Amino acid sequence: KNQVEQSPQSLIILEGKNCTLQCNYTVSPFSNLRWYKQDTGRGPVSLTIMTFSENTKSNGRYTATLDADTKQSSLHITASQLSDSASYICVVSARNDYKLSFGAGTTVTVRA
Amino acid sequence: DGGITQSPKYLFRKEGQNVTLSCEQNLNHDAMYWYRQDPGQGLRLIYYSQIVNDFQKGDIAEGYSVSREKKESFPLTVTSAQKNPTAFYLCASSIEHPSGANVLTFGAGSRLTVL
Repeated sequence: KNQVEQSPQSLIILEGKNCTLQCNYTVSPFSNLRWYKQDTGRGPVSLTIMTFSENTKSNGRYTATLDADTKQSSLHITASQLSDSASYICVVSARNDYKLSFGAGTTVTVRA
Repeated sequence: DGGITQSPKYLFRKEGQNVTLSCEQNLNHDAMYWYRQDPGQGLRLIYYSQIVNDFQKGDIAEGYSVSREKKESFPLTVTSAQKNPTAFYLCASSIEHPSGANVLTFGAGSRLTVL
């Protein structure tokens, strides 16, 4: 069964600090992995999408890494801002499959 | 601006009533999806449609129905058969990315509460 596990479930950081979120998956055959940011009460918004051949991708202060051998990904937030407070969801796609596997998300709270 | 519009944003339903959630997209995407989001869980697929007049059940289709009469529209009906309908519902659409990845765009969501 295709599964996506995220850790930690939640974390609190001070404004200006960095943090790293983890995503482990068992989806096969792997096609791509993406990270979404979801503000409370809103729909998720795509941050990055990575295919098998990519191991790092950045979007501003967000940097995602992918290790397809160990089936692990991380999302690093640099110099956090209050607006980074949200849930971050890891989503993995299998080849030739319209269904996606979603992690439960990591809730990040940035405090001044 | 292109995007996905969901309505209503908030909806209250009495026991035994059917309700319909609207989803409209102007992205010219072929595929559309309905997901359900509950606290502490990943999104779960209710129904998806790859082309007009065709749709498939997802993992939790019981108690829900959909139609895809137009490319732009994919309404979801929550029927009285759905025993626990209180949730946040997300509509999404996608187009095949050149690399083969499904780039998924979400609407802002509809929160359904059963009274």
